[in-house]
Amino acid sequence: KAGVTQTPRYLIKTRGQQVTLSCSPISGHRSVSWYQQTPGQGLQFLFEYFSETQRNKGNFPGRFSGRQFSNSRSEMNVSTLELGDSALYLCASSLTGTVPHEQYFGPGTRLTVT
Amino acid sequence: QQQVKQSPQSLIVQKGGISIINCAYENTAFDYFPWYQQFPGKGPALLIAIRPDVSEKKEGRFTISFNKSAKQFSLHIMDSQPGDSATYFCAAIANFGNEKLTFGTGTRLTIIP
Repeated sequence: KAGVTQTPRYLIKTRGQQVTLSCSPISGHRSVSWYQQTPGQGLQFLFEYFSETQRNKGNFPGRFSGRQFSNSRSEMNVSTLELGDSALYLCASSLTGTVPHEQYFGPGTRLTVT
Repeated sequence: QQQVKQSPQSLIVQKGGISIINCAYENTAFDYFPWYQQFPGKGPALLIAIRPDVSEKKEGRFTISFNKSAKQFSLHIMDSQPGDSATYFCAAIANFGNEKLTFGTGTRLTIIP
């Protein structure tokens, strides 16, 4: 079974631009969560989508948004990029409902904002 | 507010020894406690997890010990090997149906020959 895939793997953007990251969950998984990982703040929860609906949201500004499609693939968007948005963005998928909470992470997208 | 405290920040263990990483939590609503292993350039990988109705869970060389009254849990890696060198994160989730993981700050484990 294929794991969680994320594209692109690496991205360099300029401050003020916007960016869209993509995540394809494990087949059959309906929940997709996004996390930001930085050396200073560690792993922080951004939001979770389940059946195309945002079910939970972390403490990030409105510049961070996401969506989920009917095939469970998810995208996250960051608008008006700031230098502090440089991070590894991870998505995780889970089956939920039957075996709750077993989240499987993708390799991440390394975003660098210059 | 950091809801899951993890220690130590870094750990060096000799090959064949026991690696022990500790975590403490505050939120009594947490009902699932996974551990993740992360290698450089990779996403975290689910290692082992425990629920509060169990005091210990063992999978191969990895054991989670859970103390509900003290609100503490720990990861023990027996017979530590150089391939275990990675960063380990404890985490917690509150309530069924909520997939928001709250992570500890991570422990960088180095196994020396």
